[in-house]
Amino acid sequence: QQQVKQSPQSLIVQKGGISIINCAYENTAFDYFPWYQQFPGKGPALLIAIRPDVSEKKEGRFTISFNKSAKQFSLHIMDSQPGDSATYFCAAIAYNNNDMRFGAGTRLTVKP
Amino acid sequence: KAGVTQTPRYLIKTRGQQVTLSCSPISGHRSVSWYQQTPGQGLQFLFEYFSETQRNKGNFPGRFSGRQFSNSRSEMNVSTLELGDSALYLCASSLEGAGETQYFGPGTRLLVL
Repeated sequence: QQQVKQSPQSLIVQKGGISIINCAYENTAFDYFPWYQQFPGKGPALLIAIRPDVSEKKEGRFTISFNKSAKQFSLHIMDSQPGDSATYFCAAIAYNNNDMRFGAGTRLTVKP
Repeated sequence: KAGVTQTPRYLIKTRGQQVTLSCSPISGHRSVSWYQQTPGQGLQFLFEYFSETQRNKGNFPGRFSGRQFSNSRSEMNVSTLELGDSALYLCASSLEGAGETQYFGPGTRLLVL
């Protein structure tokens, strides 16, 4: 039962462009939203995360935007670089329920 | 701190065989979760262990089992392997539970022939 819907499935962006990946969740018990970056042959690595009490969090070129009322959150990668080419997963965590759900992943390709 | 380690990194088995995968969590982490990752299904939760007890379980057949030792190291076993079990098996650890930010190992790539 997928509770986190991620889109698009794949994304191609030119170097220097903005990459935007969207996720939507259903369960209002989720209270922590991390993004993971996965390179081929590697396990997912925590990239950035946000709690629902803020609408935006920025770390370097990576920004999470969060819309609690719409139950949606997105990852923005500014000035995208070829080294950002990877698969990105959003996740939603409910601490009280000890529950963690992943989105299906977005394969990002940044063309030089 | 050393990260999550998984052994072996690659494994080739034939149908009907069994396999055991190992995971060593980050020092101090007591929760270990296992995931199966395939191109078609994405990341699917197998089970979570905490203090040597299985605390949560995903929707996988009984051929998939695991255990956790007193030092928090965990093993996952798959019996009677099927072709469809070919996947990347990921282990993730966290301090107290799957409901926290988890840190993933590099995975074990299993190929069933």
